[in-house]
Amino acid sequence: NAGVTQTPKFRVLKTGQSMTLLCAQDMNHEYMYWYRQDPGMGLRLIHYSVGEGTTAKGEVPDGYNVSRLKKQNFLLGLESAAPSQTSVYFCASSYSTIWAGRTDTQYFGPGTRLTVL
Amino acid sequence: AQTVTQSQPEMSVQEAETVTLSCTYDTSENNYYLFWYKQPPSRQMILVIRQEAYKQQNATENRFSVNFQKAAKSFSLKISDSQLGDTAMYFCAFIHGGSQGNLIFGKGTKLSVKP
Repeated sequence: NAGVTQTPKFRVLKTGQSMTLLCAQDMNHEYMYWYRQDPGMGLRLIHYSVGEGTTAKGEVPDGYNVSRLKKQNFLLGLESAAPSQTSVYFCASSYSTIWAGRTDTQYFGPGTRLTVL
Repeated sequence: AQTVTQSQPEMSVQEAETVTLSCTYDTSENNYYLFWYKQPPSRQMILVIRQEAYKQQNATENRFSVNFQKAAKSFSLKISDSQLGDTAMYFCAFIHGGSQGNLIFGKGTKLSVKP
């Protein structure tokens, strides 16, 4: 079991470039999330997905798009990178939320450090 | 809006001693969960312990335990017999049913365990 994996681990972009971050999980989790972590801050939710083919906005969605074409993968796209998007990006997954009556524990990937010059 | 506050940006403890990290939160919900995550220098976010709000008994996981005070909206983490490998950032996090899975994180406490 690899858990949650993220590709790439590091990336440097120039302003205006685009890129896609890939998250994969092998735990058959329904829910997947993308967070960003800025210095001195906790994680903040960008987008999330409650199942294959579904996505929704989180707390800080502007400048990002996501897709969940397969249950095990969740992609985060930056169409036109800006220096304000320099951050560490974390993907997470969980079996369900507590709406389904189950305890929700989110399991995190190792993170991607993105620098936008 | 739900908030999570960690009032101690940095703490240090001697190896083998006990340390307590503080966390308070604000919510009007009754159905929620609280978590402590550890982030070592490797950057990986690792679940340390979780607490269901409906449970009165405090959660424990080996050397880690919590003091959950629901009325005071307080959720502190106690680390006993501190080890060098406990050196990390510790984040308190909260989630409730209306958030659709949005974990709300505090800003973290940087814990250093000294030999």
